[in-house]
Amino acid sequence: EAGVAQSPRYKIIEKRQSVAFWCNPISGHATLYWYQQILGQGPKLLIQFQNNGVVDDSQLPKDRFSAERLKGVDSTLKIQPAKLEDSAVYLCASSPTGVETQYFGPGTRLLVL
Amino acid sequence: EDKVVQSPLSLVVHEGDTVTLNCSYEVTNFRSLLWYKQEKKAPTFLFMLTSSGIEKKSGRLSSILDKKELFSILNITATQTGDSAVYLCAVKKGTGTASKLTFGTGTRLQVTL
Repeated sequence: EAGVAQSPRYKIIEKRQSVAFWCNPISGHATLYWYQQILGQGPKLLIQFQNNGVVDDSQLPKDRFSAERLKGVDSTLKIQPAKLEDSAVYLCASSPTGVETQYFGPGTRLLVL
Repeated sequence: EDKVVQSPLSLVVHEGDTVTLNCSYEVTNFRSLLWYKQEKKAPTFLFMLTSSGIEKKSGRLSSILDKKELFSILNITATQTGDSAVYLCAVKKGTGTASKLTFGTGTRLQVTL
């Protein structure tokens, strides 16, 4: 069974630029999560989708971050414009049921200069 | 505000040693506590604990939950260099699609020869 795929694996941008991350969940997984993990901290949930609807985006900085999951499969997370404090690993996870059964992707490491 | 606190933050041991990692929490609507191992980027699931006093065991790893005192421990016996990783504790709150995880900052374990 293929795992959660993410791209790119690494990205370096300058502040005020925009960036987009892509996630392809495990086939058949209805729930998709985006987490932000800053160095030295645990993952923080940014947004949770159930199929193509948003379940929780309470910690998503909506002035600069946006996410979508068209057709309930792939998802993209965008940052525009990026700030220095957005430097982090962005993890995507998917689950067939609830959070306790989620599988994480390899993550995208973002460095904002 | 929900809190998940892990200790120690960092630990260096010799191969063969036994280690105990701690996780305390203050979370409303607690459902379960999960442990993950994060070697590079993607956390991988170790245990889920729902009931107090029942030890979960997998090889050299074991974990137990105390819901009265609001903490959990993860034990690793006869440590090996392959155990070097960040160990994350996460608490699940809510049910169904509304469930979410709050992660601690992790304990970085380094096992030396």
